[in-house]
Amino acid sequence: GESVGLHLPTLSVQEGDNSIINCAYSNSASDYFIWYKQESGKGPQFIIDIRSNMDKRQGQRVTVLLNKTVKHLSLQIAATQPGDSAVYFCAEKSTVTDKLIFGTGTRLQVFP
Amino acid sequence: DTEVTQTPKHLVMGMTNKKSLKCEQHMGHRAMYWYKQKAKKPPELMFVYSYEKLSINESVPSRFSPECPNSSLLNLHLHALQPEDSALYLCASSPDPRGRGYEQYFGPGTRLTVT
Repeated sequence: GESVGLHLPTLSVQEGDNSIINCAYSNSASDYFIWYKQESGKGPQFIIDIRSNMDKRQGQRVTVLLNKTVKHLSLQIAATQPGDSAVYFCAEKSTVTDKLIFGTGTRLQVFP
Repeated sequence: DTEVTQTPKHLVMGMTNKKSLKCEQHMGHRAMYWYKQKAKKPPELMFVYSYEKLSINESVPSRFSPECPNSSLLNLHLHALQPEDSALYLCASSPDPRGRGYEQYFGPGTRLTVT
């Protein structure tokens, strides 16, 4: 059976719907944020980034929103496809260090 | 060439063995990283090399020994590992840790099993 702490939050969406994955970050000194996609058996793949002087950035089918007031980051995926199924991690980087701090991750499942 | 490569893909080793993981990038990136990732967990930073010098060691046990022979290569030497060290080991690189290119590009990882 499952053990406590090994269960990833999961978002299930129907193919063609929009997906919104949320992330709370902890460090108000963080000035750079990234979303990564990790498919099973692969390394994290860069999706989109945003700097703290922006509140929105758009890519191809993806949009990242940053709310510094409540330290919240979200990734919106338009017209979700089966190939979008993966674990999504947000990451923050401080102005002080070279370290990228990852969030806990969300599993996105796309069903037909 | 826009990728980070890692070898081997899979590695099984005993607790008395010595082995090495290898990472290579030809993007001219000047920062390289080792991460450890357990199942269903985010990557955890182990080491950072900046301009071929070790800049961050996240209190990693000495049975893990990193090496950066040149700006394109990064090794992780393993000795006397424990079964709990079994994990996916990820290498990453970024253009310049002190510049505007903060994004880190990850390799596919080495799946390590310690028996």
